[in-house]
Amino acid sequence: GNSVTQMEGPVTLSEEAFLTINCTYTATGYPSLFWYVQYPGEGLQLLLKATKADDKGSNKGFEATYRKETTSFHLEKGSVQVSDSAVYFCALSVYTGNQFYFGTGTSLTVIP
Amino acid sequence: GAVVSQHPSRVICKSGTSVKIECRSLDFQATTMFWYRQFPKQSLMLMATSNEGSKATYEQGVEKDKFLINHASLTLSTLTVTSAHPEDSSFYICSARSEANTGELFFGEGSRLTVL
Repeated sequence: GNSVTQMEGPVTLSEEAFLTINCTYTATGYPSLFWYVQYPGEGLQLLLKATKADDKGSNKGFEATYRKETTSFHLEKGSVQVSDSAVYFCALSVYTGNQFYFGTGTSLTVIP
Repeated sequence: GAVVSQHPSRVICKSGTSVKIECRSLDFQATTMFWYRQFPKQSLMLMATSNEGSKATYEQGVEKDKFLINHASLTLSTLTVTSAHPEDSSFYICSARSEANTGELFFGEGSRLTVL
């Protein structure tokens, strides 16, 4: 079946620290992979995506590489800011199935 | 990018009343929209898939008579929580798939429902 496993939080980092949020997946077929971010009290926003193996998605200093061999899509940022405090969701989509599968979300708090 | 708008963003109602939440795709047509429910500090739970011009497909355990979904046009889907009770209080989020963007989902801002 299709599923996403995301590292549990919460994660607390100091400003300018390095961030890694692990995400692994299982999928039938060839999924697209996504990271969504949810700021307090808001809906989800797409942060970055990758649609095929070895693609790297990047946005706002965040990066994630689609690794088919390890079925992973880990989110990284070299230097986090207080404004990055949010909940991050890893997700996959198997387009033909018209369905998205979300991880449980990882809460990130960045302290000054 | 594509925009999905949800209204209202917050609603408080009395127990036993019904509440309607609208989800609109502002700059693209969405034949399919999705309704999610999010409990505090938890992930999104897919409630139903809304299909334009046909009946919604509900996930297991979701009461279709409790959560009425209508998708009357290519840009509007509505979720009506009927005879709401305090346990229905939650954050409801809609999303729509943009066919032109490799299947990416665009999300509304969410609607926080509080039932007194």
